[in-house]
Amino acid sequence: AQSVTQLGSHVSVSEGALVLLRCNYSSSVPPYLFWYVQYPNQGLQLLLKYTTGATLVKGINGFEAEFKKSETSFHLTKPSAHMSDAAEYFCAVSEDYKLSFGAGTTVTVRA
Amino acid sequence: GAGVSQTPSNKVTEKGKYVELRCDPISGHTALYWYRQSLGQGPEFLIYFQGTGAADDSGLPNDRFFAVRPEGSVSTLKIQRTERGDSAVYLCASSSEGTSTNEQFFGPGTRLTVL
Repeated sequence: AQSVTQLGSHVSVSEGALVLLRCNYSSSVPPYLFWYVQYPNQGLQLLLKYTTGATLVKGINGFEAEFKKSETSFHLTKPSAHMSDAAEYFCAVSEDYKLSFGAGTTVTVRA
Repeated sequence: GAGVSQTPSNKVTEKGKYVELRCDPISGHTALYWYRQSLGQGPEFLIYFQGTGAADDSGLPNDRFFAVRPEGSVSTLKIQRTERGDSAVYLCASSSEGTSTNEQFFGPGTRLTVL
């Protein structure tokens, strides 16, 4: 079975600073990887996904992630944090049709 | 366009009662999924429908849980003899096809509290 591990349950960044959220996966086959964001009282929204091809994936709201097979990682970054980035972020791996999620990382942005 | 909707948004019930949670997927989406999100955890897969049939119910925790999708659109998750451990947010998602790469669109969830 495939799984993901998110390092750090909480991340606090200053507005304008780099956002880095870590995700490592375990998979016996080439993985399909996703990052979702969850704002309070809202459903999960897809930020970006990696399926095949280019290993640097750009998503919405200025986020991007790089698939590194040698490190089994799919870390999410944003160069400059905005107050609106405060939310919970989930990394997920797809096995057939179902998603396996990490435990999530809560991001707070300090003014 | 309309996204995935779920009703009710909140449900409080007493231990031992029966509850039904409803999901309206995006129109035309053939694949529908239920996940459960406990406090401090990521969502966990419960069941997957392709059309009207449950293609994979391996995530249902026990036989108190059951889900249907009789016309291939709306789905209902049913929980019998609720227990306090069933308290969680139940998420529904849909996608145009049930494949590994298709985006799943999530509803806002139903927060179930069992007293």
